[in-house]
Amino acid sequence: SQTIHQWPATLVQPVGSPLSLECTVEGTSNPNLYWYRQAAGRGLQLLFYSVGIGQISSEVPQNLSASRPQDRQFILSSKKLLLSDSGFYLCAWSVEGGLARNTQYFGPGTRLTVL
Amino acid sequence: GIQVEQSPPDLILQEGANSTLRCNFSDSVNNLQWFHQNPWGQLINLFYIPSGTKQNGRLSATTVATERYSLLYISSSQTTDSGVYFCAVEDYGGSQGNLIFGKGTKLSVKP
Repeated sequence: SQTIHQWPATLVQPVGSPLSLECTVEGTSNPNLYWYRQAAGRGLQLLFYSVGIGQISSEVPQNLSASRPQDRQFILSSKKLLLSDSGFYLCAWSVEGGLARNTQYFGPGTRLTVL
Repeated sequence: GIQVEQSPPDLILQEGANSTLRCNFSDSVNNLQWFHQNPWGQLINLFYIPSGTKQNGRLSATTVATERYSLLYISSSQTTDSGVYFCAVEDYGGSQGNLIFGKGTKLSVKP
């Protein structure tokens, strides 16, 4: 069966420090991968998505970036964190086609606090 | 872009009660999903339901695509049903896989 991992689970970072969050998926090949952010107040916002290695699409301009160095690995990065980067970061995966086209499955999330 | 509105924003139930959560969307969609986010933040996929009706235990969902709404029914609610329920859609003209989320319905089930 497929599983998705994220780490770290929680992170406290000072303003201006770099960031690297990692997401890996097991049990599937060539998934679509997504990074979402959930700020206080519940809404989820899509940040990046990837349909293959090295292919990244950005939905929201910000000081964050994403990379996909391997088929089942998705990394969210920042060179200098801002206070407004605090939030709950969720990684998700999906596969195209089939009866449940692009059904997305979420990882456990990383709770980031920037001080 | 497509707008997704969920109602009610908050709901408090006594254990055993039934409830209906609503999701309205402003344009045609080719993907609609319901999620439950538990108090620890984990998002669980409940239904993929761009149209029609599905049932899974005490939960069922109906989407009327022509009228642009979806309903999530919870019967005989339990305290473990507490959390936030999200509706998310992907519109025909949007980026593939780009789910637009509503703001959610926060459900609290009291023992």
